[in-house]
Amino acid sequence: EAEVAQSPRYKITEKSQAVAFWCDPISGHATLYWYRQILGQGPELLVQFQDESVVDDSQLPKDRFSAERLKGVDSTLKIQPAELGDSAMYLCASSLAGAAQETQYFGPGTRLLVL
Amino acid sequence: DAKTTQPPSMDCAEGRAANLPCNHSTISGNEYVYWYRQIHSQGPQYIIHGLKNNETNEMASLIITEDRKSSTLILPHATLRDTAVYYCIVIPSQFGGATNKLIFGTGTLLAVQP
Repeated sequence: EAEVAQSPRYKITEKSQAVAFWCDPISGHATLYWYRQILGQGPELLVQFQDESVVDDSQLPKDRFSAERLKGVDSTLKIQPAELGDSAMYLCASSLAGAAQETQYFGPGTRLLVL
Repeated sequence: DAKTTQPPSMDCAEGRAANLPCNHSTISGNEYVYWYRQIHSQGPQYIIHGLKNNETNEMASLIITEDRKSSTLILPHATLRDTAVYYCIVIPSQFGGATNKLIFGTGTLLAVQP
């Protein structure tokens, strides 16, 4: 069964450093999502792509976070500089076309610890 | 978007049915009820969704009350591998013009006991 791939699975960094996470969605899925999940809470959407275009980044802290999906396939989420409060699980998900009733398929996530 | 309310935690004996409630009293006519679950240290996994009618698939059954203000997710024979956080989410239909952004609450931690 096709899966969403994410790397790395774990990342430890010091505050003020730059970090980057990578996501490869299920083949053929046009819509890609990045969520952040703080310990004890549900995931929160950071950014949604339709192909290479951003359709929702209202919750993305744009002063330090950036996301790109240059060729409309895989995606990178970057944090620069990292802050202590960025410690969380970063989840990537994909769906076929972004329609309202589509199932989203999640990857295993990248757990970030900022020291 | 309609808000959902779930109990923070529940226990269930292995082999018994697990019934997870969700209150969505402000749901509107074009909003669907979705259930996802998240096993520890994994990404969320889709379980089932419905609009008005009860639904069943290989994982679970979804019972929606006639007034649609609440629903129950039923795992008919819970196993230890069903221990997870279960999220009930309300999503507008495509005709509402909204995106399919998932708004997660804190969910219900289901602990299946041996």
